[in-house]
Amino acid sequence: AQKITQTQPGMFVQEKEAVTLDCTYDTSDQSYGLFWYKQPSSGEMIFLIYQGSYDEQNATEGRYSLNFQKARKSANLVISASQLGDSAMYFCAMREGRYSGGSNYKLTFGKGTLLTVNP
Amino acid sequence: DTGVSQNPRHKITKRGQNVTFRCDPISEHNRLYWYRQTLGQGPEFLTYFQNEAQLEKSRLLSDRFSAERPKGSFSTLEIQRTEQGDSAMYLCASSGTSSWETQYFGPGTRLLVL
Repeated sequence: AQKITQTQPGMFVQEKEAVTLDCTYDTSDQSYGLFWYKQPSSGEMIFLIYQGSYDEQNATEGRYSLNFQKARKSANLVISASQLGDSAMYFCAMREGRYSGGSNYKLTFGKGTLLTVNP
Repeated sequence: DTGVSQNPRHKITKRGQNVTFRCDPISEHNRLYWYRQTLGQGPEFLTYFQNEAQLEKSRLLSDRFSAERPKGSFSTLEIQRTEQGDSAMYLCASSGTSSWETQYFGPGTRLLVL
């Protein structure tokens, strides 16, 4: 089974409107972290936002917020007031487990959603 | 610029040749990761270092691949006897010492094997 599922290959949004990018995850761990990254056409992965599985509040970073629904195993990214520069690939990723001194640090990524912001 | 840097940014090589990529992490980060990204996919984990110790390797990392981080600072990823299937973006990331430290990525090296 896919650990990270992003069901929207592409999304379109009008400039200044809000958009939600979907992400569902699969893990049996109680402790895990969820991340969103943006990848413009230049290729660099840019960190946007992080949500820990034990965090009670939804994470927010400027125009980005994470709609975390633990029971549904979903971690959707909400971008408010879209800008033309938001056009990019967006990846949801998960890190499982919390091992002090251990080696379980790898990120597992979804396939991404291509967001296009129209003027 | 204090971010993660990678060199070269682009590499074109012929099948069978060896290639080496370099990654310089954020200076205070002791953890370094390599990922591979093929067209239309998200990045896939290859390997991970804590200081100079290579602590985890993916099954994707065949015998033709070797990664080093000799002094716990920069890292190199070498691919021997390249194959067309090795064509991909190779991404390096680094993070600090706390358990849930965010991984920050470099710009990547695009490899094309002809």
